[in-house]
Amino acid sequence: GNSVTQMEGPVTLSEEAFLTINCTYTATGYPSLFWYVQYPGEGLQLLLKATKADDKGSNKGFEATYRKETTSFHLEKGSVQVSDSAVYFCALNTGNQFYFGTGTSLTVIP
Amino acid sequence: NAGVTQTPKFRILKIGQSMTLQCAQDMNHNYMYWYRQDPGMGLKLIYYSVGAGITDKGEVPNGYNVSRSTTEDFPLRLELAAPSQTSVYFCASSYYPGEEQFFGPGTRLTVL
Repeated sequence: GNSVTQMEGPVTLSEEAFLTINCTYTATGYPSLFWYVQYPGEGLQLLLKATKADDKGSNKGFEATYRKETTSFHLEKGSVQVSDSAVYFCALNTGNQFYFGTGTSLTVIP
Repeated sequence: NAGVTQTPKFRILKIGQSMTLQCAQDMNHNYMYWYRQDPGMGLKLIYYSVGAGITDKGEVPNGYNVSRSTTEDFPLRLELAAPSQTSVYFCASSYYPGEEQFFGPGTRLTVL
């Protein structure tokens, strides 16, 4: 079946630290991969996406590369800010349905 | 352009009560979805719709009902509320099924 596994949180980093949130997936076919971000009290917002192997999605300094050989889509940012504090969800879409990971809570302290 | 709107934002129900969670979108999206988000868990799909008059079950449909009489609206009905339905409910929409989903702000429901 289809599923997404994310690293468990919570993650606490100092401002300007490097961020990696691991995400691996299991899927039939050729899914599209997504990272969504949820700020406190809000709904999910698309952060970035990649639709095929070796594609790199990027937005707001965040990046993730679709690695078919390792079935991974790890989220990275070189220098986090306090405003990046949120919950991050990895997700895959098979064309019919989204499958979300459990979310990773990130807190960035000044 | 309001995007996806949900009402109410918060609600407390007693066991056995009924209520309808409202969802509307003004983006002319065909596809609409209802998810629930439990603490420390990902989103679970309750129901979805591919267009007006067409709905289908997701992963966790028991205890819920939906209807889709217009493209814009996709209400979720809880008939006999149970404590297990305490959760945050999100409505989402998309133009195509494989494309970005746009989410509403959520409804936090507590059943006591």
